[in-house]
Amino acid sequence: AQSVTQLDSQVPVFEEAPVELRCNYSSSVSVYLFWYVQYPNQGLQLLLKYLSGSTLVKGINGFEAEFNKSQTSFHLRKPSVHISDTAEYFCAVRSSGSARQLTFGSGTQLTVLP
Amino acid sequence: NAGVTQTPKFRVLKTGQSMTLLCAQDMNHEYMYWYRQDPGMGLRLIHYSVGEGTTAKGEVPDGYNVSRLKKQNFLLGLESAAPSQTSVYFCASTTATANSYNEQFFGPGTRLTVL
Repeated sequence: AQSVTQLDSQVPVFEEAPVELRCNYSSSVSVYLFWYVQYPNQGLQLLLKYLSGSTLVKGINGFEAEFNKSQTSFHLRKPSVHISDTAEYFCAVRSSGSARQLTFGSGTQLTVLP
Repeated sequence: NAGVTQTPKFRVLKTGQSMTLLCAQDMNHEYMYWYRQDPGMGLRLIHYSVGEGTTAKGEVPDGYNVSRLKKQNFLLGLESAAPSQTSVYFCASTTATANSYNEQFFGPGTRLTVL
């Protein structure tokens, strides 16, 4: 079975500072990796995805993530955050089953402080 | 396109009551999913469906039933609600197209409280 670990449940950061949200996964097979964002009282929205190819993936709102197969990590980064980035962020891995199920991490609450 | 919609948005139940949550998608997606979201636990898969008339259990199926009578709708039922089912429920859908990147599209959620 696959699993996803998000190492930080809460990350406070000041506006315009850089941020990294960490994600590690366990899998014995090739994986597809995703980062979703959830703004307060809303559903989940896809930030970016890694399917194959370049290990540096760029997403929406200036976020990027790097796939590291040897460390089984897929950390999310942004060089300069804004107040509007305050949200919960979920890392997910696509399961090996045929129904394209996602296994989610427990989430990281990013709070951007003025 | 409305995408994925969920009805109702909020509901309060008493222990033992039953209810049905409705998910509808207008993207002609084959796959649909029901998740529950609890603090510190991320999203956990309850049930899913790979097509009309087919359903399967996910990670936490106990206490829930589902039906997919039409391709665009996926219903989640609670026959006898328990306080442990207090949660936010999300529906999602995705395409079965072989060369797609399989993004799951999520609904806005249903906040359920069981007293």
